Amino acid sequence: GDSVTQTEGPVTLSEGTSLTVNCSYETKQYPTLFWYVQYPGEGPQLLFKVPKANEKGSNRGFEATYNKEATSFHLQKASVQESDSAVYYCALLSGSFNKLTFGAGTRLAVCP
Amino acid sequence: AQTIHQWPVAEIKAVGSPLSLGCTIKGKSSPNLYWYWQATGGTLQQLFYSITVGQVESVVQLNLSASRPKDDQFILSTEKLLLSHSGFYLCAWSLEGAQDTQYFGPGTRLLVL
Repeated sequence: GDSVTQTEGPVTLSEGTSLTVNCSYETKQYPTLFWYVQYPGEGPQLLFKVPKANEKGSNRGFEATYNKEATSFHLQKASVQESDSAVYYCALLSGSFNKLTFGAGTRLAVCP
Repeated sequence: AQTIHQWPVAEIKAVGSPLSLGCTIKGKSSPNLYWYWQATGGTLQQLFYSITVGQVESVVQLNLSASRPKDDQFILSTEKLLLSHSGFYLCAWSLEGAQDTQYFGPGTRLLVL
């Protein structure tokens, strides 16, 4: 079946530093890739979606490029803010049931 | 704009008791609907998928069942709760058709004692 592997957390950064969360996936089908963010006590929110290989998604200063050859989709932000503290999930949509397979999540804590 | 409402917000239930969780979508007709489960501190796992009224597909067997009695309503239930049912239950919707973005509701926190 499909699988998603992402950077283990927690990740602790100071405000203004850069963030990279690695994400790699395995699937036999053509995937659509997403990054979601989840704040405590809430449902996940879509950060962005990238449906095509070698395209970039971005939102709120976060970005990721879908690298089909490397089967990777790393999340990056040049300068994190305290308000970015949350859990970030890489997810892969494919196949029957419109099944969304999530990575384990990466908890980010940004200190002022 | 579409809104998704889940009820109740939280529940504390005894092992062996029944459970019914609900989800309503407003502002979108004929959505695809999904139930997910998230263990505390864990990732999300898809449980059920529905493309239309009366049609529900089970993705994972967790001694739970789901029904879609109306176009905008999705119900998750069981007759007998287990300790392992504790967690965060999330309803999601997407446009009809495949490969579209899923949008999540606020969730229901369940604690089984």
